Parts: sequence; C-alpha cells; structure tokens
Amino acid sequence: GAVVSQHPSRVICKSGTSVKIECRSLDFQATTMFWYRQFPKQSLMLMATSNEGSKATYEQGVEKDKFLINHASLTLSTLTVTSAHPEDSSFYICSASPGLAGGPGYEQYFGPGTRLTVT
Amino acid sequence: AQTVTQSQPEMSVQEAETVTLSCTYDTSESDYYLFWYKQPPSRQMILVIRQEAYKQQNATENRFSVNFQKAAKSFSLKISDSQLGDAAMYFCAYRSSGNTPLVFGKGTRLSVIA
Repeated sequence: GAVVSQHPSRVICKSGTSVKIECRSLDFQATTMFWYRQFPKQSLMLMATSNEGSKATYEQGVEKDKFLINHASLTLSTLTVTSAHPEDSSFYICSASPGLAGGPGYEQYFGPGTRLTVT
Repeated sequence: AQTVTQSQPEMSVQEAETVTLSCTYDTSESDYYLFWYKQPPSRQMILVIRQEAYKQQNATENRFSVNFQKAAKSFSLKISDSQLGDAAMYFCAYRSSGNTPLVFGKGTRLSVIA
C-alpha cells in the first residue's frame, strides 16, 4: 500500500529557532500534499495545500512567512516553522495524493505526524 | 464552504456490542466523497471506510458500515461486534471531487468497555 513518512516524529526546539519537517511519499509520486495541524484533543485543521513545483496555497489565518512549505519534488514536501514560539507547539500531519494516477478517487495517504514542542 | 458536524464528543460501547457514530455535513455540491477515519493514541490517521456520493449503496468494510442518507446529508458509522482495539478518536471527513483537501468534523472519542 501507499506509504507516507514524516521526519522527525518528535522535535523540541528553543523559541526563536526554525525547524523543518519532512513529508515523503515512499512508493508513489505525490502531485499534491496537504499539511494539517492538530492541537490536543482537537480535530485536524488544514494549513496549506502544495502542488509539486508550485507555490503552496495557504488557508486563511495561516501565516505563510511563518510556515514555509516547499514541494520541490514528487516525493518530498517540507514544512519549515520559522522563528518558532511556544504557541506553535502542536502536532503536524501531512497527507499525500498521487492525483489521478491513484485512481479517480484522488486517494490521500497520511503520514504518522510530527510532534513539535517549542520551549 | 463545506462543514462537517459530529454531535457526539464521546461515546462508549460494551465489548461485542454495536455502536453508531453520527455525522452530518453541509454542502451544495453533488459530487463528493465521505470518509470515516480512526485516530488511535499513536495519532496515525487510519482510513476506516469511504463512500462516494454518487453511489446509493452503503459502504461496508467487515465490521464497519455506514448509513449514507444523501438527501438528509447524514453519514453515520456503525461498528458491529466492538473490540477493545476499536477504542480511538473517530473523525468524519468530507472531500469535494478532484484533488482537494479533507474537511474534518470535531471527532468522537469512542471507549470500549470490557
């Protein structure tokens, strides 16, 4: 089956530093990747949609200068949290879609998530 | 914009019994997909079942089945013969046709009592 990995699974960083989270599709080419954020005991909130080779589309209220998303290849998208602050601490989840190559249903496959703690 | 509502923040069920989780959604689209995802303590999102809006037949996957009422915009999940491993957070999700993101409900936390 389709596998999506995320790295790191957990990261602790100091306030003011930047941290990069990688999302990789291991056995398929992902034309589109989605980034979600999940606070404890809450639902997933879409942050942005990224298509390979294009600029990401951010949801309203998401600071594009703070959450930099790069989708430079068909198997890798990165989310960089710049100048992180404690309020950025959260669980970040990516999902990847092979687009029509995966069938008319545009299946999406989730990564295992990354827990970010900013101290 | 589409919205998904799960009105049951928490549910519990006895082991081997049946439980139904509710979900309603709002959309003006005619072509879309509906999903139920399970999120165990590991927080890995696991697809439980999906339903294409154009299909009248309710989807089933082993012990999991849905009651899809398109006119009522309702999409409930029935878990039969509940097992301890079914305990998790369950999210109902909507997706438009095409390569679009998922819209999630707030989730229902299911506890299974031995």
